[in-house]
Order: sequence, then structure tokens, then C-alpha cells
Amino acid sequence: EDKVVQSPLSLVVHEGDTVTLNCSYEVTNFRSLLWYKQEKKAPTFLFMLTSSGIEKKSGRLSSILDKKELSSILNITATQTGDSAIYLCAVNTGTASKLTFGTGTRLQVTL
Amino acid sequence: GAGVSQTPSNKVTEKGKYVELRCDPISGHTALYWYRQSLGQGPEFLIYFQGTGAADDSGLPNDRFFAVRPEGSVSTLKIQRTERGDSAVYLCASSLMAASEQFFGPGTRLTVL
Repeated sequence: EDKVVQSPLSLVVHEGDTVTLNCSYEVTNFRSLLWYKQEKKAPTFLFMLTSSGIEKKSGRLSSILDKKELSSILNITATQTGDSAIYLCAVNTGTASKLTFGTGTRLQVTL
Repeated sequence: GAGVSQTPSNKVTEKGKYVELRCDPISGHTALYWYRQSLGQGPEFLIYFQGTGAADDSGLPNDRFFAVRPEGSVSTLKIQRTERGDSAVYLCASSLMAASEQFFGPGTRLTVL
């Protein structure tokens, strides 16, 4: 059974801190790994990673995939209160392209 | 359209009733997915459409759940004889093609009393 595990489950930091969120996976047919931000109901797409070792970056957010270690990290630098959300990691598997999600990391950024 | 839209945003129903949830994908996206998210969990895959056909319905929990996409655009998820355990947020996503990034709608929160 495909499995995606995220850590930590929750995290509280002060504005301006840097955070690293972790995602590891065990799947039978890896195609890509995706990160989403979920604030209310709709997960918002952040990154899709397919190649190991290549960093994707968007503003203060960046992510990298390690296919040898079957894992990925999401970094957020200079955190702001608007970064408070649940961050979901998902792996795209199989010919159906369905996503298998982790349970998410709940990030709270305080003043 | 600008993004994936879903209606209704909230649906409250009684146990045993029938409900329909609608998803309108991003224009031009051929792939459409339904997921279900329970509190404290990540979304769980239900069904995937490529065009009009259901390419993978392995995530549907039982035969009370059914989905259609008759013209390859709008999709409807249908739940018969609803049970309290069906209460969740139902999310729809679309992608330009299979294996490309999926964009999610705002979801429908279903509550079965």
C-alpha cells in the first residue's frame, strides 16, 4: 500500500523564523511529488518535483526531492503570519495519476 | 474559468437521503479527480476521469458512490442512502493532462445528520 508520511505533525514558530517540513514516501510507482498549502478548504498548489536534487523555488518557499532517500523537504524562510496553514505533501503514483497524500503539517506562525 | 469551482459549498442532509455534488474544472483540463478529506487527514482519492470515462474508480468506498462526467467537462459525484460516516469535505481537482499538477476546487462540506 502506498504511504506518505509527514513530519512534524504540527509546528509553532515566531515570525521571521525559518522552518523545514519533511515528507517521506513508500510507493510502488513514483512519478512526482507535490506540495500544497491548505488554509481553509482548497489545497493551493506550490511545487511539483520529479527530478532528484533539483531545487524548486518561489519567493521565500523552496523544495527539493531526494529520490535515493525517498523524501522531500519544504523550506520557508522569514516566515510570516500569512504562512500559517496546513502543508500537504502528495505523491503521484501509477498510470491513473492519483495523488496519495500525507496527513499534513500544521504550521502556526505567531507574532 | 479562473479556477475549479464546486457547488454547493455546504450541504446538510439526513441519513438515508441522496445527494449530488458538482464540479466545474478549469477550462481545457482533460483530467478530473474527486477526493474526500476527513478532519485531520489528507485528501483520499475517490475517482479519476480522463475525458468522459472513469479511468480509475478504485477509491470509491462502496456502490453507494457514483460519479459521471458526460461531456468531458462538468462532473457530478452522487451518493445514495447517505450515512453519517460520509460526512467530510469532498474536493475536486483538474489537470491539463494526466501526470501534470492538479488544481483543487474549494470543496463541498457534506454533513449527514
